[in-house]
Amino acid sequence: DSGVTQTPKHLITATGQRVTLRCSPRSGDLSVYWYQQSLDQGLQFLIQYYNGEERAKGNILERFSAQQFPDLHSELNLSSLELGDSALYFCASSVGQGEVNTEAFFGQGTRLTVV
Amino acid sequence: LAKTTQPISMDSYEGQEVNITCSHNNIATNDYITWYQQFPSQGPRFIIQGYKTKVTNEVASLFIPADRKSSTLSLPRVSLSDTAVYYCLVGDGSSGGYQKVTFGTGTKLQVIP
Repeated sequence: DSGVTQTPKHLITATGQRVTLRCSPRSGDLSVYWYQQSLDQGLQFLIQYYNGEERAKGNILERFSAQQFPDLHSELNLSSLELGDSALYFCASSVGQGEVNTEAFFGQGTRLTVV
Repeated sequence: LAKTTQPISMDSYEGQEVNITCSHNNIATNDYITWYQQFPSQGPRFIIQGYKTKVTNEVASLFIPADRKSSTLSLPRVSLSDTAVYYCLVGDGSSGGYQKVTFGTGTKLQVIP
């Protein structure tokens, strides 16, 4: 158990809908990262928050948004869903601002299926 | 950012030592080398990290030659439970970290009974 909690574990929704994925980081970790992993693809970085503020943006679509709340949990909002958005969405956390020489802890992921 | 190249897949029999090499020719002075393991439908898990020479922990060893242009993850006596995808990451803490590191597609290790 990494200490990072993601809910829900599975989500099935229709095209055009909006969903919210939730992530609770490890206790004490200030950074939260969101990644998307499509079938047979590597992990694509989407966005990072550090202590409530957006720190970095990756290949995140305009239909997607995220935020980190004062209690440090984070939510990833996906709207106007398309079939191609079906993927595993991972949240990770780390104590610092993202230094690779520190360990990042990943959650179990949310599997999103858009039908 | 240093680009990494690793084999797409490898097969090994149970009980054998497995070595997975990662090439990172343009590694920078401040870059660390980190390896993650990912089981199907699970998040990646940190295995080992190093800067130079050799690092060993309870699950693996990491060999880094003097020029640091490559690194080798060594898994001793693999078991079926080591079947997973292994990612090699290279990056530092000064110019952005995990948000800029590309996990890529990794090396899919299949352990055969």
